Amino acid sequence: DIMMTQSPDSLAVSLGERATIYCKSSQSIFYTSTSKDYLAWYQQKPGQPPKLLIYWASTRESGVPDRFSGSGSGTDFTLTITSLQAEDVALYYCQQTYLSPGTFGQGTRLDIK
Amino acid sequence: QVRLQESGPGLVKPSQTLCLTCSVSGGSISSAGYSWSWIRQFPGGGLEWLGNIYYSGTTNYRPSLMSRLSFSVDTSKNQFFLNLTSVTAADTAVYYCARGSGYGIWGSDNFGFWGQGTRITVSS
Repeated sequence: DIMMTQSPDSLAVSLGERATIYCKSSQSIFYTSTSKDYLAWYQQKPGQPPKLLIYWASTRESGVPDRFSGSGSGTDFTLTITSLQAEDVALYYCQQTYLSPGTFGQGTRLDIK
Repeated sequence: QVRLQESGPGLVKPSQTLCLTCSVSGGSISSAGYSWSWIRQFPGGGLEWLGNIYYSGTTNYRPSLMSRLSFSVDTSKNQFFLNLTSVTAADTAVYYCARGSGYGIWGSDNFGFWGQGTRITVSS
């Protein structure tokens, strides 16, 4: 299975500031035939299921605010939240969708400083 | 808007079989091209994809669980099902059903629609 490792495990950021979460895959999840990286990001709030934010490493799901952005390629990826809002407090997970079984990172907890 | 709702027993004894149902509304489970998955979340927060099923009945299972897992679908009721045999405490988790978004390759996918989850505890 492809292993996904997120860092940090938790972080605290002031309201209005930038939050950055990293995700690393144990092998490349870039498919040359489509020129896409098969990496997704989810947000999970307490008592709720995960919500898909970004797929193909940088494509925002419909309805997701543009302060959420994804970047990276190959094995190293980043989720950036510009101008952190109170409602962004949550757990964030990355997931590779390159090879079955799709595997998730261990999660990063984001809080307000 | 597609909605999914899991239902299950809550508590299962060790060595017994866990049976879960996912009821889909707001869309047909027979919609071509979509996969329907089971995913679980352990008490520590880790997420694990268990497998998926298509309306045709085609299934894909997580290899490590293949010997204990089976999925089925009832298109007339717009439901799909999970059976997990010989459960142990390690199977204690919140179980989610979800619809694949079609953005993955080689049998993998991500998930745009999820149920609220059903908490399953394995204990005597």
